[in-house]
Amino acid sequence: NAGVTQTPKFQVLKTGQSMTLQCAQDMNHEYMSWYRQDPGMGLRLIHYSVGAGITDQGEVPNGYNVSRSTTEDFPLRLLSAAPSQTSVYFCASSYGGSYNEQFFGPGTRLTVL
Amino acid sequence: KNQVEQSPQSLIILEGKNCTLQCNYTVSPFSNLRWYKQDTGRGPVSLTIMTFSENTKSNGRYTATLDADTKQSSLHITASQLSDSASYICVAKGGGADGLTFGKGTHLIIQP
Repeated sequence: NAGVTQTPKFQVLKTGQSMTLQCAQDMNHEYMSWYRQDPGMGLRLIHYSVGAGITDQGEVPNGYNVSRSTTEDFPLRLLSAAPSQTSVYFCASSYGGSYNEQFFGPGTRLTVL
Repeated sequence: KNQVEQSPQSLIILEGKNCTLQCNYTVSPFSNLRWYKQDTGRGPVSLTIMTFSENTKSNGRYTATLDADTKQSSLHITASQLSDSASYICVAKGGGADGLTFGKGTHLIIQP
């Protein structure tokens, strides 16, 4: 049981490049979400999904896309990277929606030059 | 506006000592309050979840309290160990897209 896995662990992009951050969980959780964590700020919600085929925007969705084709995977796409997207990104999953305990992945540290 | 305020921002204590971290929240409607531990370079890990009807919950040397009337919670760490050095994040469930409002965390350093 690997829990929540994220790849890559580190990434450096140039402004304007696109990339996909991968997230997978093997706990059969229907609820998954993406957060970004910046110095001096709490985690902020980017996008979330209540189940396969259903996604919705969070607090800071601009510049990011998501899809949920399976229960296990929830990739986050940066369409055209900007320096403001330099951050640490965490994927999380939970059973029964956001009411219950969330399990977080190890994070992806992204730098946009 | 939903808010979670944590204090202190940072704290340094000696190994073996006890400490208490504070969390004040303003979320509506309130469902539950969580404490997470985040080691440097890792994702947050859940310590406790308490609903409005629970006053206290323990997880080993970690004890969380909740006062839903005053909208305050605390996390007490007993007999601190070097491995307790981490950021501790308070999260209130209520309001927002996924209903979760995160505090900025308290950075705890345990010195030998």
